[in-house]
Amino acid sequence: GQQVMQIPQYQHVQEGEDFTTYCNSSTTLSNIQWYKQRPGGHPVFLIQLVKSGEVKKQKRLTFQFGEAKKNSSLHITATQTTDVGTYFCAGYKGNSGYSTLTFGKGTMLLVSP
Amino acid sequence: GAGVSQTPSNKVTEKGKYVELRCDPISGHTALYWYRQSLGQGPEFLIYFQGTGAADDSGLPNDRFFAVRPEGSVSTLKIQRTERGDSAVYLCASSLSSGTGPNEQFFGPGTRLTVL
Repeated sequence: GQQVMQIPQYQHVQEGEDFTTYCNSSTTLSNIQWYKQRPGGHPVFLIQLVKSGEVKKQKRLTFQFGEAKKNSSLHITATQTTDVGTYFCAGYKGNSGYSTLTFGKGTMLLVSP
Repeated sequence: GAGVSQTPSNKVTEKGKYVELRCDPISGHTALYWYRQSLGQGPEFLIYFQGTGAADDSGLPNDRFFAVRPEGSVSTLKIQRTERGDSAVYLCASSLSSGTGPNEQFFGPGTRLTVL
């Protein structure tokens, strides 16, 4: 079945440092979504990428979708303590219109002040 | 309500018992999803409803798991003969329907199920 892998599993940075998490799929994706889950919370949608090579920015967050649509990345510039949480990518493969996503295991980010 | 709600927030049961978990999606969202999340893992897809019908139930682990959405709004996930391995947080999400692919999913707070 479809596999979505994320690395690293965990990263601890000092406030102000940059952070990147990578997502790789075993199959070509139609699109990919990113979610953030705070400790004790539930996943919250961040963004969706659809086009090959697409780059989207949200303030300090930059999201990329690979040219082959099999990988993606999330980069945070100058992390803040509010960035703490687990970041998940979720890939959508099907073209049937059925909206089922396969989530990666996530990257847990810890930011020390 | 403003968001997806789930009840109960916590459920402790004994091995072999039957449990029901409820999800109340955002009004107007025709798509509803159930996921299971274990510690240190991402949400694992269980079942997807489009309206009243289960469009994709390929994620249900076995026939002890069943879900319904009889009126196209509230959904109930039912687990028979619970096992200790069923212990996890069960998440529900809803979204606007789209024929071209997934939309943003809005997650509920989850139900933490513990099977003793």
